[in-house]
Amino acid sequence: KAGVTQTPRYLIKTRGQQVTLSCSPISGHRSVSWYQQTPGQGLQFLFEYFSETQRNKGNFPGRFSGRQFSNSRSEMNVSTLELGDSALYLCASSKQGADTGELFFGEGSRLTVL
Amino acid sequence: EDQVTQSPEALRLQEGESSSLNCSYTVSGLRGLFWYRQDPGKGPEFLFTLYSAGEEKEKERLKATLTKKESFLHITAPKPEDSATYLCAVRGNDMRFGAGTRLTVKP
Repeated sequence: KAGVTQTPRYLIKTRGQQVTLSCSPISGHRSVSWYQQTPGQGLQFLFEYFSETQRNKGNFPGRFSGRQFSNSRSEMNVSTLELGDSALYLCASSKQGADTGELFFGEGSRLTVL
Repeated sequence: EDQVTQSPEALRLQEGESSSLNCSYTVSGLRGLFWYRQDPGKGPEFLFTLYSAGEEKEKERLKATLTKKESFLHITAPKPEDSATYLCAVRGNDMRFGAGTRLTVKP
């Protein structure tokens, strides 16, 4: 059974640019949630999508957005990048929703903003 | 505001030396407490979900317990392959993660 796939694995951007990250969940999982992980702040919840609808949103500015497609694949976008956006962005899929805690994480997309 | 605090930050054990990791929390309306294991360069791996005080879950050398204010992850006779960062998370109004405990088990 294929796991959660995130692309790209590594990317470097400059301040002011925008970035789109992609996540393909485990087959049959309708929930995709996104997290930001940094050494200083740890793992922080960004948002969750379930069957193409945003179900929950964390405390991040509007520059962070996402969407989910009918095949459950999800993308997140960060516009007007800031240095502080440098982080590991993790996507997790779940069959019944992130509330159950039974999340299957991808290996992440490591973003460096210069 | 919901908070999750894990202790210790780092723990070094000899193989076979049992110990416990702590996760204390304050949350308005606990809807679940979760434990994950994270290896370097990888995403977290789900271990347990606990919902109510007194609940316990076990998996191989790991046992998670829950009280009204904290959870413990007990590691019995650890092996070097148990070395990882262990994360605790709580679901209240949203999902909050602790900073993790970095466990090293030496042979």
